[in-house]
Amino acid sequence: DTGVSQNPRHKITKRGQNVTFRCDPISEHNRLYWYRQTLGQGPEFLTYFQNEAQLEKSRLLSDRFSAERPKGSFSTLEIQRTEQGDSAMYLCASSTRQGRFSGNTIYFGEGSWLTVV
Amino acid sequence: GIQVEQSPPDLILQEGANSTLRCNFSDSVNNLQWFHQNPWGQLINLFYIPSGTKQNGRLSATTVATERYSLLYISSSQTTDSGVYFCAVRISGSRLTFGEGTQLTVNP
Repeated sequence: DTGVSQNPRHKITKRGQNVTFRCDPISEHNRLYWYRQTLGQGPEFLTYFQNEAQLEKSRLLSDRFSAERPKGSFSTLEIQRTEQGDSAMYLCASSTRQGRFSGNTIYFGEGSWLTVV
Repeated sequence: GIQVEQSPPDLILQEGANSTLRCNFSDSVNNLQWFHQNPWGQLINLFYIPSGTKQNGRLSATTVATERYSLLYISSSQTTDSGVYFCAVRISGSRLTFGEGTQLTVNP
């Protein structure tokens, strides 16, 4: 099964350190999304790529956050100078337009849990 | 932005019971999906259903777009159905907006 793959699955870091998460989307999907989820809440949108172009960013994506998708394949999400409030699960998702019957169905990875201590 | 409200927030069932989960949204949408998040955090896509009715085994969903709500039906519930059920909608662009979910617990 070649679903959306994320790593690392868990990361514990000290406040002030930088962390990077990687996402490998489903191979034929040209759209890639990052979401963040805290305990007891639904996922919140962070950013969206179509191929290598970053087309939309949420205001949640502060200047300490940067996402890239070189060559339109895998993506990385980097958080600089981590804060305790960054502790959350970071979810990657991908999709492709499949026509009007299935639409833009989005498939999520298993997430990367970040704990900032 | 669009508001997505899910009810009930928590639901406890005995195995074999049926249930209905509701999602209300505040604006016209062009994408609505139901997801199940298992205890390990994995979000599983259940339905893409911006309008109409779909069925998949014991699960079915109906969206009445003109009245801005969607329902997820679970019949003959099983313990493996436990988890959080999310409704997510999109009005334009790329982002999905999620509700806060319904926490379902199915007891044996």
